[in-house]
Amino acid sequence: QVQLQESGPGLVKPSETLSLTCTVSGGSISSYYWSWIRQPPGKGLEWIGYIYYSGSTSYNPSLKSRVTISVDTSKNQFSLRLSSVTAADTAVYYCARRDGNSRAHDYWGRGTLVTVSS
Amino acid sequence: QTVVTQEPSFSVSPGGTVTLTCGLNSGSVSTTYYPSWYQQTPGQAPRTLIYSTNTRSSGVPDRFSGSILGNKAALTITGAQAEDESDYYCVLYMGSGISVFGTGTKVTVL
Repeated sequence: QVQLQESGPGLVKPSETLSLTCTVSGGSISSYYWSWIRQPPGKGLEWIGYIYYSGSTSYNPSLKSRVTISVDTSKNQFSLRLSSVTAADTAVYYCARRDGNSRAHDYWGRGTLVTVSS
Repeated sequence: QTVVTQEPSFSVSPGGTVTLTCGLNSGSVSTTYYPSWYQQTPGQAPRTLIYSTNTRSSGVPDRFSGSILGNKAALTITGAQAEDESDYYCVLYMGSGISVFGTGTKVTVL
């Protein structure tokens, strides 16, 4: 059974860079797409972007200028960097596996709350 | 900007049927958008219910079904149960790798 676990700082200062890592266990990161999705408190879900195991990426156009997603296949991990954060970036951040055929997100991490505050 | 719209809320009686829809501000939803549906209860990660319009994910009860109704994707719960009280999100694939989540529907069973 594939499991995903997000990790990283729970508090980031405004204008700094948010960095999170997702560790995949129970399966290989190869041959799949891996997404980051976020949910501000009390609001809906927002797709941030994905990375294919080979390194190709696709980002939400509204966040593209601030987002970088990278992958480390040797560690079975992928990471998110979101620069120049503001309070509006406060959210629960989820990592998820996206199936290449169905385009659906079939496995999700539990999520981690990141608060942007000084 | 692409906006995927869902009804804000629905109320259904236990044993009743409810249909949630997923529309697109720029046109009609078809199977080429690979509609998928997710259920989320408070404090939990989303759970995949339906993918590729109408395929149930493993372990999902058959009271959940997906379809295209008119120009929208739809999720129908037939014979609603108390544990179906959740938030439901659709996702559409827009091409070029981009996915867009719907605004979400809160379903109350009472």
